[in-house]
Amino acid sequence: AQRVTQPEKLLSVFKGAPVELKCNYSYSGSPELFWYVQYSRQRLQLLLRHISRESIKGFTADLNKGETSFHLKKPFAQEEDSAMYYCALKGGYQKVTFGTGTKLQVIP
Amino acid sequence: SQTIHQWPATLVQPVGSPLSLECTVEGTSNPNLYWYRQAAGRGLQLLFYSVGIGQISSEVPQNLSASRPQDRQFILSSKKLLLSDSGFYLCAWSVQGGMGNTIYFGEGSWLTVV
Repeated sequence: AQRVTQPEKLLSVFKGAPVELKCNYSYSGSPELFWYVQYSRQRLQLLLRHISRESIKGFTADLNKGETSFHLKKPFAQEEDSAMYYCALKGGYQKVTFGTGTKLQVIP
Repeated sequence: SQTIHQWPATLVQPVGSPLSLECTVEGTSNPNLYWYRQAAGRGLQLLFYSVGIGQISSEVPQNLSASRPQDRQFILSSKKLLLSDSGFYLCAWSVQGGMGNTIYFGEGSWLTVV
């Protein structure tokens, strides 16, 4: 079975403060991990994927297989980062499982 | 370019009535197709996914079913709706195979069962 856990429903930070959105997963094979974001009144869209090891809009995420985590980080939060963030895991047979999401609120 | 269409956008149905939500992908072939339900506090719940015509995997035993009659068409159905079926339903697709393939979402369908 594959599972994604996002322990925080809401994370409030001040503008300029560091951000860390937590994601833990459970999967017996080699997972593919993603972060998706949903801005107000927009479709869910890909933010970044672990395989690309990229930084998008200042966000990074490192896959830690020992801790089975894929936390999303940004050193300095901006107001436009306020959105709903979902961690996703692609396991076997093309199955993609999402977490319950974390709402990031950046306070001006 | 690829696009995904999902309809209807909004639906109000009485309890016990049937349901049919349709989703079509254009500009690609043999995509993976998904149905999710998005609910506050519960995130995105995977309902069904399909890797090919007639191949449906069900994740949550419930009052719903899915079918894939054509390569790029995915239908979510119910014979008799329950109040608990109300919610926001999302269709999505991705390229088959490979690594790191993005999932692309439709605009969603709001279903209210009354």
